[in-house]
Amino acid sequence: DQQVKQNSPSLSVQEGRISILNCDYTNSMFDYFLWYKKYPAEGPTFLISISSIKDKNEDGRFTVFLNKSAKHLSLHIVPSQPGDSAVYFCAASVYTNSGYALNFGKGTSLLVTP
Amino acid sequence: NAGVTQTPKFQVLKTGQSMTLQCAQDMNHNSMYWYRQDPGMGLRLIYYSASEGTTDKGEVPNGYNVSRLNKREFSLRLESAAPSQTSVYFCASSEIWTQDLYGYTFGSGTRLTVV
Repeated sequence: DQQVKQNSPSLSVQEGRISILNCDYTNSMFDYFLWYKKYPAEGPTFLISISSIKDKNEDGRFTVFLNKSAKHLSLHIVPSQPGDSAVYFCAASVYTNSGYALNFGKGTSLLVTP
Repeated sequence: NAGVTQTPKFQVLKTGQSMTLQCAQDMNHNSMYWYRQDPGMGLRLIYYSASEGTTDKGEVPNGYNVSRLNKREFSLRLESAAPSQTSVYFCASSEIWTQDLYGYTFGSGTRLTVV
């Protein structure tokens, strides 16, 4: 059962505009959320994260917003650049008997056009 | 500063052949993981090892076996490759007992084609 959902498989945005990538989750025990970025022929790399006790975290052009009541988070990229074209994975962390575990969404492919 | 190293980067197998994908990490992480990535399916967990000496099945373990050789190395074996195992395979590592701000560190992947 998918606990982290990215319902938009793809998104196309013009250079300079805002990109908004969305992620929904079902498990209220998730306490940390992360976004990974993946270029073709490379492994996913960490982009930005947010603790469940916060509602916003900003790092340069990237901002993640968390709405716990709606179990929803979003990644905003402003302004979007062609180099941002990649697959973005949303992930959520939960502590289990076996330690912290990450649950991944299926990813959203972002294309930023010049 | 290598992080997670996977070998080989590319491999073509014939149906029924066997092979082992190698993974090594130099971050002294306790936990290691094997994922496969297929179009539209995201990252699916095959097997993981929470600590040296333990391994557990993930979401899609059928057709695979793993070995946690030591704390650094975690290998994935296909005993009899099938076309359905054509995929990109990623190894990752993490420290599971603390809230790692960066989550998992991934290798660059192995692109496997089974014909």
